[in-house]
Amino acid sequence: AQSVTQPDIHITVSEGASLELRCNYSYGATPYLFWYVQSPGQGLQLLLKYFSGDTLVQGIKGFEAEFKRSQSSFNLRKPSVHWSDAAEYFCAVGKSNFGNEKLTFGTGTRLTIIP
Amino acid sequence: EPEVTQTPSHQVTQMGQEVILRCVPISNHLYFYWYRQILGQKVEFLVSFYNNEISEKSEIFDDQFSVERPDGSNFTLKIRSTKLEDSAMYFCASSPSPRGREQYFGPGTRLTVT
Repeated sequence: AQSVTQPDIHITVSEGASLELRCNYSYGATPYLFWYVQSPGQGLQLLLKYFSGDTLVQGIKGFEAEFKRSQSSFNLRKPSVHWSDAAEYFCAVGKSNFGNEKLTFGTGTRLTIIP
Repeated sequence: EPEVTQTPSHQVTQMGQEVILRCVPISNHLYFYWYRQILGQKVEFLVSFYNNEISEKSEIFDDQFSVERPDGSNFTLKIRSTKLEDSAMYFCASSPSPRGREQYFGPGTRLTVT
């Protein structure tokens, strides 16, 4: 069964600083990988996705993520965070076979931005 | 931009009561899902639905739960007899296809069972 680990429960960064949120997955085949963001009281918004091809993927709001098969990782990065980036970030993995694409989520990383 | 909508945004019910959570998926999507998130915990898959039948369900999705697409636009989750532990945020999601396509999530319904 697939699983996702987000080792950092809570991260605090200064506004303007760079950010990296870690995600490790476990899945036997090539996974589909996603990062979602959840602002307080809101639903889940897709930031970016990886299906195949270029291992560095660009998303919305200036985020990017790199798929590293050898490390089973899909870390999320942003060169300069803004106060509005404060939210909960979830990494998710989907199966690549046809018919059942349930997403398995990590436990999330809460991002706090300080001035 | 099309989006998934859910109603109500917050539902309070007493233990043992039946609740129906409603979702309107994006109109040309074919695959539908329910997830839940207990406060402070991760988002968990409940059920997937395609072609008017359940594709997969998790261990959480027991006989107290059911899903239905009563018409061409709505997708509902029914909990027959709610328990305290059913208190959670319930998210509906839809996807145009399962193979390599992202799921679009609604804003959620917060269910509080007292």
